[in-house]
Amino acid sequence: KAGVTQTPRYLIKTRGQQVTLSCSPISGHRSVSWYQQTPGQGLQFLFEYFSETQRNKGNFPGRFSGRQFSNSRSEMNVSTLELGDSALYLCASSRGGAPTNEKLFFGSGTQLSVL
Amino acid sequence: KNEVEQSPQNLTAQEGEFITINCSYSVGISALHWLQQHPGGGIVSLFMLSSGKKKHGRLIATINIQEKHSSLHITASHPRDSAVYICAVTANDYKLSFGAGTTVTVRA
Repeated sequence: KAGVTQTPRYLIKTRGQQVTLSCSPISGHRSVSWYQQTPGQGLQFLFEYFSETQRNKGNFPGRFSGRQFSNSRSEMNVSTLELGDSALYLCASSRGGAPTNEKLFFGSGTQLSVL
Repeated sequence: KNEVEQSPQNLTAQEGEFITINCSYSVGISALHWLQQHPGGGIVSLFMLSSGKKKHGRLIATINIQEKHSSLHITASHPRDSAVYICAVTANDYKLSFGAGTTVTVRA
């Protein structure tokens, strides 16, 4: 069974641009959640999607958005990039029962650098 | 103040030693996760627990809901156990909060 796949693995953007990251969950998993990891703030929860609906959201500005498609694949978008958005962005999938009350399977992440 | 506090921040052990990592949290939770992150970023979920104790190989995780405390134990530690161990809690609003992580180094 294939694991969680995130693309691209690395990304370099400049301030003011926007970026879209992709996450393909494990087959049969219906929940996808997104996280930001930085050296200063550690891991922080961005949002969680289930059946194409955002089920929960962390404390990030509206520049951070996401969506989920009918095949459970999810995308995350960051608009008007700032230097502080440089981070490792991770997604995780789960079967999708109680949100975040199940074992999470993480992708390898997308390392975003904003110059 | 962070909702999830881990200790110690760093830990160095000799191969074969018993290792304990502690996690305290300040909010009501429905579940607690122990995660392992190796250099390069990949995160693996080790345990998810809401009560009692779980064991997998040389790893043991315990949680005391009343005291809002969890521990991760590594028995007979090995250099391949060297990683960052992260405690995360699912709060009652289903948002995940993370500890800062414990960097474990096991020397041969």
